[in-house]
Order: sequence, then structure tokens, then C-alpha cells
Amino acid sequence: DTGVSQNPRHKITKRGQNVTFRCDPISEHNRLYWYRQTLGQGPEFLTYFQNEAQLEKSRLLSDRFSAERPKGSFSTLEIQRTEQGDSAMYLCASSFHGGHEQFFGPGTRLTVL
Amino acid sequence: DAKTTQPPSMDCAEGRAANLPCNHSTISGNEYVYWYRQIHSQGPQYIIHGLKNNETNEMASLIITEDRKSSTLILPHATLRDTAVYYCIVRVEGAQKLVFGQGTRLTINP
Repeated sequence: DTGVSQNPRHKITKRGQNVTFRCDPISEHNRLYWYRQTLGQGPEFLTYFQNEAQLEKSRLLSDRFSAERPKGSFSTLEIQRTEQGDSAMYLCASSFHGGHEQFFGPGTRLTVL
Repeated sequence: DAKTTQPPSMDCAEGRAANLPCNHSTISGNEYVYWYRQIHSQGPQYIIHGLKNNETNEMASLIITEDRKSSTLILPHATLRDTAVYYCIVRVEGAQKLVFGQGTRLTINP
């Protein structure tokens, strides 16, 4: 247990539905990251926050995806109008400003039927 | 970020040293080498990182060649719990994202 928690751990939804995932980072970490991992592949970067500011977004993050970190603590990742291609593990990580190590949570596995 | 090349899979006997190679021939002077691993159904876990010098911590040792074009992660006494996918990542100093490849699937055999 790294101290980063993610909820829910599993989510099954039907195509076209909206889903929201939550990440609670280690409390003193001011940087928070989202990654996506499909079966057999390494994680792919989606976006990162420093405090409440979203400072970088991948081109993978289409218009249907939005991430927030309203008070610089927990973060949410919302996917609107889900598609079967969104099925993946969504990983959250956090780190200190200037720290080399990213601490990953256990992930939320999304299955879109 | 420089590209890394790793063998897709390796086997090692329990109790022996596991040596995982990584090629990063296009690495720049301000790029660090990081190693993470991912045990099945868990998030990735940081192992070690280095710039030029060899590094050692409680988990592993990192050997970086003098020209910095390749490196080796050494798990000195592998256990069954070290079975995982190991990722070698090159990251520019100050960059935030980690760029994962497909890694090496290491299997420790009893």
C-alpha cells in the first residue's frame, strides 16, 4: 500500500454512459498524475496537476475526458459517453514537488460493454 | 524523451541475481534512467534511478555504462515476489510524465 487510494477499484458500464473515478494522493504530495493502461501495454500518461492547476495534458485525453483537482487534494477523472475503447486500467500517482519517485495507486479497472 | 529497448521476457532462479538490461542509446546528458516494476494487478512501483553513477538501494542496484547508452538493473537475490514487469524509463530532468515502454516480464522460478 503506497498511500495512494483509488475508487472504485472496478467499474463496469454500458457504452454511452458517463463514469467518474476518484484518486486520493498521499496528503503532503502536491503533484498528481493520471495514466491509462490497456492489456499488455505499459501505462500511458494522461495528465498531471501541481496543486489545483492542470499543467499538462496528453493528446490521448480527448474532449470526452476531463480531470479536476479542485482543492489541490483529491482528483477526479470523468469520461463522458464511454466507448469500448475506453476499457482500461486508470492509474493515479502522486509525488512531492521536485521528487523523483511517483507513488502509484492500485488503479480503477474500467470495462465498457 | 529517449527511447528504451528491453527484452520482452526473462527467467531467473530463486535466490540468484537477476540482471535486467536496458538500451537507451539516444539518451541526452540531462536525462535520468528510472526503473519501475509492476506486479500483477498492482500499480507500478519505483525501484531506483540514476544519472551517471551506479546506484544502490535496499531493493536493487543500477549499473550505468560509462557512455550512458545502456544500463542494467540488478536484483541481488531474487525471490518469487520479484516476479513482475520491469520498466526502464528515461526522463528529462524536470519533466513530469513517465513514458513507459512494454518492459521486461521477469519470472522468478523456484
